[in-house]
Parts: sequence; C-alpha cells; structure tokens
Amino acid sequence: AQSVTQLDSHVSVSEGTPVLLRCNYSSSYSPSLFWYVQHPNKGLQLLLKYTSAATLVKGINGFEAEFKKSETSFHLTKPSAHMSDAAEYFCVVSEGSGGGADGLTFGKGTHLIIQP
Amino acid sequence: DTAVSQTPKYLVTQMGNDKSIKCEQNLGHDTMYWYKQDSKKFLKIMFSYNNKELIINETVPNRFSPKSPDKAHLNLHINSLELGDSAVYFCASRLAGGTGELFFGEGSRLTVL
Repeated sequence: AQSVTQLDSHVSVSEGTPVLLRCNYSSSYSPSLFWYVQHPNKGLQLLLKYTSAATLVKGINGFEAEFKKSETSFHLTKPSAHMSDAAEYFCVVSEGSGGGADGLTFGKGTHLIIQP
Repeated sequence: DTAVSQTPKYLVTQMGNDKSIKCEQNLGHDTMYWYKQDSKKFLKIMFSYNNKELIINETVPNRFSPKSPDKAHLNLHINSLELGDSAVYFCASRLAGGTGELFFGEGSRLTVL
C-alpha cells in the first residue's frame, strides 16, 4: 500500500525568501511522484514529476523537487517566493497499479501563504 | 484549446433536485476520473473510467452515477441532492496504466441549499 504525508498544512513565507514544502511517501514499488498546484477557484496544474530518471526534478515557475529514496521524501522548493505562488500544493504518489484510484494517492495539501 | 473542460462551472440548486456535470477531454487519454474536493481542500476519488468501463467505484452513494458515452466524455449525474454534496467536483484524465500525470478540469462548484 502507498501513502503520502504532507507535513505542513500551512506554510507562510515572505516574498523573496525560499519556499520549502515537505512531502514524505511510502510505497511498495518504485513510485512516480508529482507536485500539483491549485490557485484559488482553479483546477490542479502539474508543477513537476519524478519518474525514475534524474532525482532532482525541475518544474515550472522556478520550482524544483528532489527525490530521496533513503528518506522517502520528495520536498518541493523554490529559491525566491513570489506573490503569485500563493496557492494550495498537493503531493501525489503513483505506483501505476495497486493502491487506490488506479494507483494514485493524493496528500492532503499544503496552503502556501506569501507575506508582502 | 482547453484539454479537459467541464460544465457548468457553478451550480446552485435545492435539496432533492437532480443535476448533471459534463466533462470532455481532447487529449486522447484512455482514463477519466471524477474527484470531489471538500471545504478543507481534500481530494477524494469518486470514479474512474477506462475505455468506457468503470474500473473503480469508491464508497460513493449510488445517487451518484457516472456516464461515459465515449472515451472523451465522462459525465456525472447526481440524484436527490443533499446538503453534504456541496463541494467542488473535478474531472481529470490520464493515459491508462502508466505513470503519467493527471490533467484536471477547472472544477464545478456545486452548492446545495
């Protein structure tokens, strides 16, 4: 069985400072991992994905994430926060089979607040 | 062109009514989904359709029924609406069986009065 834990329900940072959103997972297989962003009143948009290639993954809008198998983590980072980054962020694990919903498991989300 | 489109975007209705939400994807994907997002932003899978066959049906009341006329469309019909059905419903699609990402629609906000 697979699971995803987003360690912070809310994160608040000042504009221009680094962002760190934490995600830990458990999986019986070699998983694929995703980060999605949801802006207010919008659908979910893919930020980046890891699918067993390079462990450091670069995404859109300056975000990146590093897959660390030994720590079972896939934390999302950005060097400098922008006001437009304020949104809900979801970490997702996929085993391709097994688990629920065709192997996809969503974290409960982290609400990112950007202080001016 | 919008990859995954759903209509209507907003829906306000009375308890006991029946309503439908439509979803279409033009990505050529094999699998389509319906998710429910509650007020705490938690996403719950409701249904998954692969090539017009229901392959997952989570613990959703039978008042909810997905209908797929073809693999590009997955509509959600809800009978006898209840207050607890108020939520945002998202349609999504992806390639079947792989590790590809989900593509989401913009959501349909349902409010039951």
